[in-house]
Amino acid sequence: EAGVTQFPSHSVIEKGQTVTLRCDPISGHDNLYWYRRVMGKEIKFLLHFVKESKQDESGMPNNRFLAERTGGTYSTLKVQPAELEDSGVYFCASSQGPGQSLMNTEAFFGQGTRLTVV
Amino acid sequence: GESVGLHLPTLSVQEGDNSIINCAYSNSASDYFIWYKQESGKGPQFIIDIRSNMDKRQGQRVTVLLNKTVKHLSLQIAATQPGDSAVYFCAENIGSGGGADGLTFGKGTHLIIQP
Repeated sequence: EAGVTQFPSHSVIEKGQTVTLRCDPISGHDNLYWYRRVMGKEIKFLLHFVKESKQDESGMPNNRFLAERTGGTYSTLKVQPAELEDSGVYFCASSQGPGQSLMNTEAFFGQGTRLTVV
Repeated sequence: GESVGLHLPTLSVQEGDNSIINCAYSNSASDYFIWYKQESGKGPQFIIDIRSNMDKRQGQRVTVLLNKTVKHLSLQIAATQPGDSAVYFCAENIGSGGGADGLTFGKGTHLIIQP
């Protein structure tokens, strides 16, 4: 079974441009999460989808970031316009189960997209 | 690599020895803790988790210990192997969201297994 896949693996864009990152979760996983690690910092939570709905977007840094998960399958994270401080590695993860479950189920992470804004 | 600029603490262990990686957390409300392993070029990989109603949990070659009094978490790896070389992160979760909702990650520790 394929794991969580992210595309592209690397992206280099100029300040002010737009970039769209894609995440394909493990098939059947209702929960999808976006995280990022900007240079010199810890991995930080961005948001959590349950199917197509945003369950928790408390970690989204500002309105330049837009995440979507139309149809509850793959998700995209758009940064528009990109700024230098957006450079880092963006991770996506997915897990089974309804979002409100009290049972903690293992989340599987993708390999990440390394974004460099110049 | 991804660790550039992060200045991770490093733990160097002889192959076959046991290793202990420590993590301090700050939020006493956290009730779920996870250890992740991240190899170069890959995303974090789940190793083991523990809930706050437990103080110890064992897996295959790994043990997680939780001391809620001092807000400390540790990961013990027995009989280390070259494949254990990686960056290890602890993560905590407030509430019972499950999965990976709203995890707070630690800075990470770079474990190096010496042959």
